[in-house]
Amino acid sequence: DILMTQSPLSLPVTLGQPASISCRSSQSLVHSDGNTYLNWFQQRPGQSPRRLLYKVSNRASGVPDRFSGSGSGTDFTLHISRVEAEDLGVYYCMQGTHWPRTFGQGTKLEIK
Amino acid sequence: QVQLQQWGAGLLKPSETLSLTCGVSGGSFSNYYWSWIRQTPEKGLEWIGDINHSGDTKYNPSLKSRVTMSVDTSKDHFSLKVTSVTAADTAVYYCARGAIMIYGLVGFSVQPLFDYWGQGILVTVSS
Repeated sequence: DILMTQSPLSLPVTLGQPASISCRSSQSLVHSDGNTYLNWFQQRPGQSPRRLLYKVSNRASGVPDRFSGSGSGTDFTLHISRVEAEDLGVYYCMQGTHWPRTFGQGTKLEIK
Repeated sequence: QVQLQQWGAGLLKPSETLSLTCGVSGGSFSNYYWSWIRQTPEKGLEWIGDINHSGDTKYNPSLKSRVTMSVDTSKDHFSLKVTSVTAADTAVYYCARGAIMIYGLVGFSVQPLFDYWGQGILVTVSS
């Protein structure tokens, strides 16, 4: 199975400041079709995960443009340009290139 | 707007069979793979498997021996069964739209989505 490793696991942030979360995979996530199937999800307390980004850097419908994604191969990053109160929660990366699908451990974004 | 609504028993005894169903509304049921994912504090999010409208399945090898997924295209429902449950199967179970089937000249390719999720059901296994 592909191991997805996120860091940090806890990220204290100041509202209005930027934040970044790293995700590394144990193998390249480049698919034979040329796409890189790396998703980012946000999970607020008591809610289901919500897809934020797909194929590394494509924002899902309704996702604010303060969220962006970068990376390639095995190293990926979720960027939040200015953290707002509604962004607090746990963030997960997930690879969809290989079977079985696997998720990172999650990064808890909390107020400093 | 696609919506997924889940239902099933939330309390089981060890050795019983977990049974959950997910209904899809507001969009096409065909040409997609539909997923089951579970979440525990210890292991986080774990993909259980996918099924498409034709009944083609892909299971996580870690659970494959105990998992069966099925589909009812007349009702736009898909279901999950996990046999011989133990306390380790206690989790919040989610259904989701897992992938889209992209048809080409020869066959189809599968592109992951995970864009719509059900509300989640807590399943507790306890004697």
